Amino acid sequence: AQSVTQPDIHITVSEGASLELRCNYSYGATPYLFWYVQSPGQGLQLLLKYFSGDTLVQGIKGFEAEFKRSQSSFNLRKPSVHWSDAAEYFCAVVNSGTYKYIFGTGTRLKVLA
Amino acid sequence: EAGVAQSPRYKIIEKRQSVAFWCNPISGHATLYWYQQILGQGPKLLIQFQNNGVVDDSQLPKDRFSAERLKGVDSTLKIQPAKLEDSAVYLCASSLGPTDTQYFGPGTRLTVL
Repeated sequence: AQSVTQPDIHITVSEGASLELRCNYSYGATPYLFWYVQSPGQGLQLLLKYFSGDTLVQGIKGFEAEFKRSQSSFNLRKPSVHWSDAAEYFCAVVNSGTYKYIFGTGTRLKVLA
Repeated sequence: EAGVAQSPRYKIIEKRQSVAFWCNPISGHATLYWYQQILGQGPKLLIQFQNNGVVDDSQLPKDRFSAERLKGVDSTLKIQPAKLEDSAVYLCASSLGPTDTQYFGPGTRLTVL
């Protein structure tokens, strides 16, 4: 059965520092992978997605993620965090056969001024 | 382009009462999803429609939850009777197809007393 794990419930970084949010998945074949962001009082918004091809994926707002098959990971990164990045981030895996979506439990990012 | 519309935005009911939520997806989107997001958790897929057919409802508590998507456009999600543990935000999302970007509505926050 497919699953996705976000090991970090909370992360705090200083503004301007680099960021990496971890995501590990469990799925037999190559899954479709997504990162979404949920800002306070706002709906979920797609940051980036990976289906195939280049394992380094660029997204919106300066985010990128790297698919590492050997580690079953799809970590989200940003070189310099802005205060407006404070939000909850969700990794999601989609079964490429059934198209069933599973979201992780989320990582809440706090940004210090 | 109009986004995904949901109503009501907030609902407070007592346990054992019934409640219904409405979702109007983005025009032309064939795939529609209903998620339940309990505070502090990631969205859990309840049901996924492709046009007006059900693709996945494996996590829908069918003894109390029902959903329909007549004519492959709008959708309603009903809970009858509600339980305390149904308190959550109910999110509707739509996409062109099952592997395309999902666009989320603002959600309906349900409180069951």
